[in-house]
Amino acid sequence: DGGITQSPKYLFRKEGQNVTLSCEQNLNHDAMYWYRQDPGQGLRLIYYSQIVNDFQKGDIAEGYSVSREKKESFPLTVTSAQKNPTAFYLCASSHRGRDSEQYFGPGTRLTVT
Amino acid sequence: GNSVTQMEGPVTLSEEAFLTINCTYTATGYPSLFWYVQYPGEGLQLLLKATKADDKGSNKGFEATYRKETTSFHLEKGSVQVSDSAVYFCALSDYGGATNKLIFGTGTLLAVQP
Repeated sequence: DGGITQSPKYLFRKEGQNVTLSCEQNLNHDAMYWYRQDPGQGLRLIYYSQIVNDFQKGDIAEGYSVSREKKESFPLTVTSAQKNPTAFYLCASSHRGRDSEQYFGPGTRLTVT
Repeated sequence: GNSVTQMEGPVTLSEEAFLTINCTYTATGYPSLFWYVQYPGEGLQLLLKATKADDKGSNKGFEATYRKETTSFHLEKGSVQVSDSAVYFCALSDYGGATNKLIFGTGTLLAVQP
């Protein structure tokens, strides 16, 4: 089955720790994205990547980092510099191009205490 | 900058009622428009899309028409079911340099009661 997997579904961390969220796709998509979802705020773009070894900051990149070493994988690290890391994180991928649909993973709910 | 405004929820309807969720946008150029649906605890799924003015997207009984003159893309369904209960997001493509970034509205929660 083609799709996007994110793991784990729930993640708990102590404040001050970095944590990495996994995102893998087998759809042969060039572009991948990370979004953050908070209640009442819709989805906000954190980082996106059009191609391997290249990525750009989205609207709320501060406190996050990414890598794109393989086409299939786009892990997101939430660093201790992120002031409010508790949120639902969604990964997506798409073909490149104006009308391309983005396919979403099931999400990871991160709780930092 | 480009933006999307959706009607606030929650929207509560009885089964078989008519649904409208309003969506308006601000954009330069001619973006593509999308409706995504999110069921509880899951990621988003594309419901329908329209890529140019006057296009009508449709899927699973849902429809939306790209209205350039009113910058709107309202979602409609003639008869909702309990299984349609979910959060609905309107989005536009902020396309530039071969990357299709999406700008989302805040989402509208739909609750359908039997």
